[in-house]
Amino acid sequence: AQSVTQLDSQVPVFEEAPVELRCNYSSSVSVYLFWYVQYPNQGLQLLLKYLSGSTLVESINGFEAEFNKSQTSFHLRKPSVHISDTAEYFCAVSDRTGRRALTFGSGTRLQVQP
Amino acid sequence: EAQVTQNPRYLITVTGKKLTVTCSQNMNHEYMSWYRQDPGLGLRQIYYSMNVEVTDKGDVPEGYKVSRKEKRNFPLILESPSPNQTSLYFCASSPVGQATEAFFGQGTRLTVV
Repeated sequence: AQSVTQLDSQVPVFEEAPVELRCNYSSSVSVYLFWYVQYPNQGLQLLLKYLSGSTLVESINGFEAEFNKSQTSFHLRKPSVHISDTAEYFCAVSDRTGRRALTFGSGTRLQVQP
Repeated sequence: EAQVTQNPRYLITVTGKKLTVTCSQNMNHEYMSWYRQDPGLGLRQIYYSMNVEVTDKGDVPEGYKVSRKEKRNFPLILESPSPNQTSLYFCASSPVGQATEAFFGQGTRLTVV
């Protein structure tokens, strides 16, 4: 079984400031790691994922996340946020076999203020 | 356009009145699943299907049923809804394979009174 902990339920930040959204996971097996973003009144969209290889993964809109196996973390970062980044962000893991369900964290609401 | 379509988007119903939430995908994906989203709990998987006529329980299946008669459709059935099933529901699909992206529908907000 897996579990995901997102340590911050809300993160307020000013526009153009850097941000880090924290994610820690627990699993007895090897997993894939994901960040999904949910804009108001919409479904979830994949932001980025770690499968294997380089531990630093990037999205097309400037977010990046680093897989740290020893700390079982997959924190999401952006050096300079925009108002349009305001959304809820979910960290998720998926086992590599079996039913392949996504196990989600409880979410972090990023609020970017002008 | 590749998409997962859920209907209805909003639904208010009374306790015990059977309802169905439909889900359809146009990407020929084998794998489909249903999640419910509750504040502070993230999303939890209700049921999933690896292919036509193959369904199985997720983490919170009690009170729900599903069927997969066609590849594109995966309806969620609440035979006797109760207030604790008030939630935001998402259908998702993905191709079978390793670590493929899950595509989510827009969500169905269900209120059971």
